[in-house]
Amino acid sequence: DAGVTQSPTHLIKTRGQHVTLRCSPISGHKSVSWYQQVLGQGPQFIFQYYEKEERGRGNFPDRFSARQFPNYSSELNVNALLLGDSALYLCASNPGQGLYNEQFFGPGTRLTVL
Amino acid sequence: RKEVEQDPGPFNVPEGATVAFNCTYSNSASQSFFWYRQDCRKEPKLLMSVYSSGNEDGRFTAQLNRASQYISLLIRDSKLSDSATYLCAVLTGGGNKLTFGTGTQLKVEL
Repeated sequence: DAGVTQSPTHLIKTRGQHVTLRCSPISGHKSVSWYQQVLGQGPQFIFQYYEKEERGRGNFPDRFSARQFPNYSSELNVNALLLGDSALYLCASNPGQGLYNEQFFGPGTRLTVL
Repeated sequence: RKEVEQDPGPFNVPEGATVAFNCTYSNSASQSFFWYRQDCRKEPKLLMSVYSSGNEDGRFTAQLNRASQYISLLIRDSKLSDSATYLCAVLTGGGNKLTFGTGTQLKVEL
């Protein structure tokens, strides 16, 4: 079975631009979460979507937005990019909600903002 | 205080050694805990889930101490291939949010 897939793998943008990152969950998984990981830190939670609805939001500015599609794939959008947005953006999927759901990560999109 | 704290290391150990990592968490209502392994410039991969007092899988043992609010990961008979960063994660927000520690770097040497 295919795991979580993300595109693109790498991206270079300049300050002020916007970016769209894409994620396809494991087949059968209905929940997708997005995380930002900067060098030397653990991943930081950005959003969780379940059944196309936002179910959780981390401490990120409104420049960050996301959505989930009927096929459970998801997009993360970041507007007005700042140098500090340079990071590895990780998507994770899990079957649904609840305290015993394990999250599985995709390979990530490495974003560099110049 | 950070929600999840880990000693960043690095832990440099010889092959065959036993090594233990600790992770403390601040939210006493947390119920699900995980250890992930992350290789350089790769995604985190789930290593172990801890829902009750502990879990064992081969050379790896994870234990949970709710009273002291920490979880531990024990690696026995370390292999060179165990060299990686080990991330502790706690599920909060009703199952909506994984909060990670900064990770502990392990280097296993000949």
